[in-house]
Formats: sequence, structure tokens, C-alpha cells
Amino acid sequence: EAGVTQSPTHLIKTRGQQATLRCSPISGHTSVYWYQQALGLGLQFLLWYDEGEERNRGNFPPRFSGRQFPNYSSELNVNALELEDSALYLCASSLAQPRETQYFGPGTRLLVL
Amino acid sequence: GQQLNQSPQSMFIQEGEDVSMNCTSSSIFNTWLWYKQDPGEGPVLLIALYKAGELTSNGRLTAQFGITRKDSFLNISASIPSDVGIYFCAGRLGNAGNMLTFGGGTRLMVKP
Repeated sequence: EAGVTQSPTHLIKTRGQQATLRCSPISGHTSVYWYQQALGLGLQFLLWYDEGEERNRGNFPPRFSGRQFPNYSSELNVNALELEDSALYLCASSLAQPRETQYFGPGTRLLVL
Repeated sequence: GQQLNQSPQSMFIQEGEDVSMNCTSSSIFNTWLWYKQDPGEGPVLLIALYKAGELTSNGRLTAQFGITRKDSFLNISASIPSDVGIYFCAGRLGNAGNMLTFGGGTRLMVKP
């Protein structure tokens, strides 16, 4: 069974540009989560989508947004990129029920120059 | 926002030694999880704890859910070189759906 996949693996942008990151969950999983991991730091929760709707949002500005498609894949969009947005962006998926394990993808490393 | 304090931040040990790391929180969690992250990869779940006082093992790894529900520890016995990586604790609040709060990580280095 395929795990969570993310694309691209690496992304280089300049300040002010927009970045789009993609995530495909494990087959059968309806919930998708996005986390930001700055270099040397822990994971910070960004967004949670389930059944196409945003369920919860972390403490990030509105220029971080996303969506979940009918096939449960998800996009994370970051507008007006800033240097401090450089980080590893991790996507995780799970079944919808509470207590379900979140399985992580390998991440997209975003570098903003 | 919620914070998990994880310690130590890093450890450099000799192969064969036992390792202990812990997480504490100012809030009560109803689930504690321990993940390991290898370089260039996403975190992989090691152990999940769902009940206060619960003690669970996974091979050489043992983790406990603190009685107060505000802390958890992870022990690794007889460390080996492949234990190298960053270990993260994560907690789930009862009123936050499935959202996880992560600790800052413990970087483990093992000297053969």
C-alpha cells in the first residue's frame, strides 16, 4: 500500500512569489494535515482538512491557505512568500475517526530566497 | 498556544547505552504519541498512548503516559547506531479533534 506522497520534493522561490505544495493521502484516508517544520525545530500545525472542509487552523497568517479535493488529495498555498517561510512542509493523513494515527509523507522542502 | 517541552534537546551516547527522554505540558492531553524522524523523511510513529498510566513497549522502546496526563517519557534500551535520528513527542487535546501538538524534538546521536 502506498504511503502519503508529496510533491515537489524541493521548491525554490523568491520573496513575494507564491508556492503550491501537493499531498496525496493514503488510500481510504479522508483527513489531511499540514505541518511546518523550520530548520532544527519541531512541527507546527498549519491546517486540517476532512471531507473537503477546513476543520482547524494553526496560528499562521491568512496567506497560508489550502484546499482538499474530492479525491481527498490536498494543496497548500503560500502567498507573498517571506524568507522565514523557508521550511520543510509535511503532510499527514489519517482516517476520520478520533484517535486515528497520522501517517506522514516525506515533505516538501521550500527555500525562499 | 499549547506547548510541549521536550528534553533533552540532544543526546550523544555510546552504543549499548539506554536512553531516556521526556515531554511535559501545561495542558492535559488525552493521547500521547512518540515519533522518530530520519534525515530527509517524515516522522514515523513509534508508540501511541491513550490512557493515563499506560505503559507500552515496542521492541527496545518503552513509553509511558503520565498519571497527571501532562507528561510522557520514552526509553530506548541497548541503543544501536540505527537509533540515530530526531525523536518527537506529540499530544492530542480532547477538544482539538485530531490536531497534534509537537515537542521540539530530541536529537539522538549514537557512537559505535
